[in-house]
Amino acid sequence: AQSVTQLGSHVSVSEGALVLLRCNYSSSVPPYLFWYVQYPNQGLQLLLKYTSAATLVKGINGFEAEFKKSETSFHLTKPSAHMSDAAEYFCAVGPSGTYKYIFGTGTRLKVLA
Amino acid sequence: GAGVSQTPSNKVTEKGKYVELRCDPISGHTALYWYRQSLGQGPEFLIYFQGTGAADDSGLPNDRFFAVRPEGSVSTLKIQRTERGDSAVYLCASSLTVGQDTQYFGPGTRLTVL
Repeated sequence: AQSVTQLGSHVSVSEGALVLLRCNYSSSVPPYLFWYVQYPNQGLQLLLKYTSAATLVKGINGFEAEFKKSETSFHLTKPSAHMSDAAEYFCAVGPSGTYKYIFGTGTRLKVLA
Repeated sequence: GAGVSQTPSNKVTEKGKYVELRCDPISGHTALYWYRQSLGQGPEFLIYFQGTGAADDSGLPNDRFFAVRPEGSVSTLKIQRTERGDSAVYLCASSLTVGQDTQYFGPGTRLTVL
C-alpha cells in the first residue's frame, strides 16, 4: 500500500529564508510524486511532479524537489521565502499509471516579516 | 482557459437531508475524480470516472454516497440522509486522460451538516 508522511503540520520561516517542507513516501512500485499548494478558499494547485525522469524537479514560483529513492523522500525547497508563499502544502503519491493519489496531511507554511 | 469549477462553494444542510454537489471539469478532460478533505487532513479519493462510467468507486464511504456523469462532462456527487460526519470540503479534479496526466483541482464545495 502507498502512503505519504509529511513531517511538521506547521512550519514558520522568515521572509528571505530557506523553505524546507518534508515528505516521505511508501510505495511498492515506482511512484509518481507531487507537491500541491492550497491557498485559502482555493483549490489545489500543482507546484511540481516527479514521473521517473530527472530526480531534481523544478516547479513554479521557484520551488523544487528532489526524489531520493534511498531515503524514500521528496522534500520541497525554495531558497528564499516570500510572503506570498504562505499557504498549505500537500505531498501526494500516485503509483505510475494509476489515478488514486494518496495525499499527506499537509504542512501549513507561515512566512514571517 | 477555464479551470475546474464547483458549485455551490458552500452548502449548509440539516442532518438527514439530501444534497447534490456539482463539478464542471476542464473542457476536453475525459477523467474526473472526487475527493473529500476533512479538517486537518489531506484529500481522500472517493470515485473516478472515465467518460460516463464510474471506473472505480471504492473510496465512497457507504451507499449514501453516489455520483453520476451522464454525458461524460459535468458530474454530480449525491449524498442521501446526510450525517454530521459528512461535513468536509468535497474536491473535484479532472485530467486529460487517466494515469499519467496531472489532476487539476477545483476550489471545492464546503459542506456543513448541522
